[in-house]
This record gives sequence, structure tokens and C-alpha cells, in this order.
Amino acid sequence: NAGVTQTPKFRILKIGQSMTLQCTQDMNHNYMYWYRQDPGMGLKLIYYSVGAGITDKGEVPNGYNVSRSTTEDFPLRLELAAPSQTSVYFCASSPGGETQYFGPGTRLLVL
Amino acid sequence: QKEVEQDPGPLSVPEGAIVSLNCTYSNSAFQYFMWYRQYSRKGPELLMYTYSSGNKEDGRFTAQVDKSSKYISLFIRDSQPSDSATYLCAMSGEDSNYQLIWGAGTKLIIKP
Repeated sequence: NAGVTQTPKFRILKIGQSMTLQCTQDMNHNYMYWYRQDPGMGLKLIYYSVGAGITDKGEVPNGYNVSRSTTEDFPLRLELAAPSQTSVYFCASSPGGETQYFGPGTRLLVL
Repeated sequence: QKEVEQDPGPLSVPEGAIVSLNCTYSNSAFQYFMWYRQYSRKGPELLMYTYSSGNKEDGRFTAQVDKSSKYISLFIRDSQPSDSATYLCAMSGEDSNYQLIWGAGTKLIIKP
């Protein structure tokens, strides 16, 4: 039981490039979340999903897209990367309820 | 004004001390209150969970919620160097689709 896994661990992007951050969970959780964490700013919700085929915007969705074709996977797509997207990105899953299980994070640097 | 306020610290205390970490919030609809612990370069993990007002104890950790003052606390007794981490408070209301509102996190350092 690996829990929530994220790839890559670290990535450097040039301005304008695109990439997909991968997130997979093996706990059969319906709820999945993408957050970004900036120093001293806490966690900001980007997108979330309540089940396969259903996604919705969080607090800071601009510049990102998601899809949820399976229960296990919830990839986050960055189009036209900007320096403001330099951050640490966390994926989380939940069975429903307030307990969220987090992945180890992806550190993204946009130059 | 942020919905959830949390002093970012760092808070540095000697080993064995009692630690008090706090958050204030503005939304009276919040009913679920959580404390997550985050070690450096790791994802957060749930430490304590409280519904509505009152106290909850788990080993050396005690969570308190005072809804009348919109104030929550986490106490750590007999603090250990392994408690050094960032502690984030999080909260949500009914019908929130389990979306959490997070504090900025307090960095705690326990000195041996």
C-alpha cells in the first residue's frame, strides 16, 4: 500500500513550457485534491475531484487544468508556465470526511 | 483579513517544555478543526481532529476548540526534538465538500 504517490519530485521549467504533474492513490478514495504551498502562505487549493469524471475549481485554478478519468489518478496540467507557478505542489486524497492523505510533493521551479 | 490566522514562527523551545500553538478564524460556520504536522520536505499528515467545541487528547497532544472566541489550540507536553516540524491548522464547515481552509503553519523547533 503506497498511499499517494507523486511524480516528478523536482522539475525546472522554462517560461511558456507545459508539463503534467502526476498523482496516483491506491486507497480507493473518491476525493482527491491538488494544492500549492508557497513559503509562509499555507496550502492553497487548486482543483479537487469528488469522484471519477467530476472535477471542480478551488481557490487558485488559473493556469492549471485537471482530469479524473479513473479513481486512482488525478493529473495536474500546467500550460504556459509562469514564474508565479514556482511552488511546491501536493496531491491529497480522502475517503470522505476531513482526513486527507498527502503525497510527498513536487517542487517546481519556473525560470 | 485572512479566514484563518496562524503565527508562522519560528517557535523555539527547550526539550521537555510545554508547547502551545494557536489559530484564530473568522468564519463562524466552521465545525471541523484539524491539526496537521509537516516535516521538512514532506507532505502534511493529520495529527488531531476535533468536531465543534471542546478538548481532545491523544498521548502528549491536546487539541482545544473555543468556538465562542473563534480560537483553536494545540498543546504538546514533554516536547521532543522529533516534534520539530511545521504545524498547520485546518478547518471546514458543513456542506464544504470536505474542502479545508488552512492556516499558514507555525514552524516549531525543539532544542535538545
